[in-house]
Amino acid sequence: AQSVTQLDSHVSVSEGTPVLLRCNYSSSYSPSLFWYVQHPNKGLQLLLKYTSAATLVKGINGFEAEFKKSETSFHLTKPSAHMSDAAEYFCVVSSNAGKSTFGDGTTLTVKP
Amino acid sequence: EAQVTQNPRYLITVTGKKLTVTCSQNMNHEYMSWYRQDPGLGLRQIYYSMNVEVTDKGDVPEGYKVSRKEKRNFPLILESPSPNQTSLYFCASSFRDRGRNEQYFGPGTRLTVT
Repeated sequence: AQSVTQLDSHVSVSEGTPVLLRCNYSSSYSPSLFWYVQHPNKGLQLLLKYTSAATLVKGINGFEAEFKKSETSFHLTKPSAHMSDAAEYFCVVSSNAGKSTFGDGTTLTVKP
Repeated sequence: EAQVTQNPRYLITVTGKKLTVTCSQNMNHEYMSWYRQDPGLGLRQIYYSMNVEVTDKGDVPEGYKVSRKEKRNFPLILESPSPNQTSLYFCASSFRDRGRNEQYFGPGTRLTVT
């Protein structure tokens, strides 16, 4: 069994300040973890993924995430928010049997 | 261009009228999957397929059917749609590698059942 909890449904930051989107997961095996972004009325795009290599993962647009097994967390960060980062973000856990479980999503608002 | 296509993009139908949403990918991916997206619930997996003639239930399969007769196509069938199936549907595909690979998503199909 697997599950994902995104701890904040909404996060609001000012442009130029750090972003932290929190994700905890539960899995009975070594998971693959992903962050996807969905801009308004758009499809989903991969930001980054963890698949048992380096625990600090770098993605596109300056985002990165750290896999912490002891805390079962995979939080997404960015040092400095940009207006174009405003979107909905999904944390996803996938099993090697094909099941993918999405978190409920975090809406990021960036204020000028 | 590598892509996942879905048709139709928008559909309004009535309760009980069978419908099919098509999904096709041109990347030779083994894995394909269907999701529905509802406000506040993220995306929930309906069915997935690890390869041709191999399909399995996701978390919300009730009221849906799928088939995988060809590698590139993975249609979603609603035999008797009901209003609670009003949703935004996404098809996705990836190479099969123990769940490690990025999924590529189609543009979505917005379905309304009245």
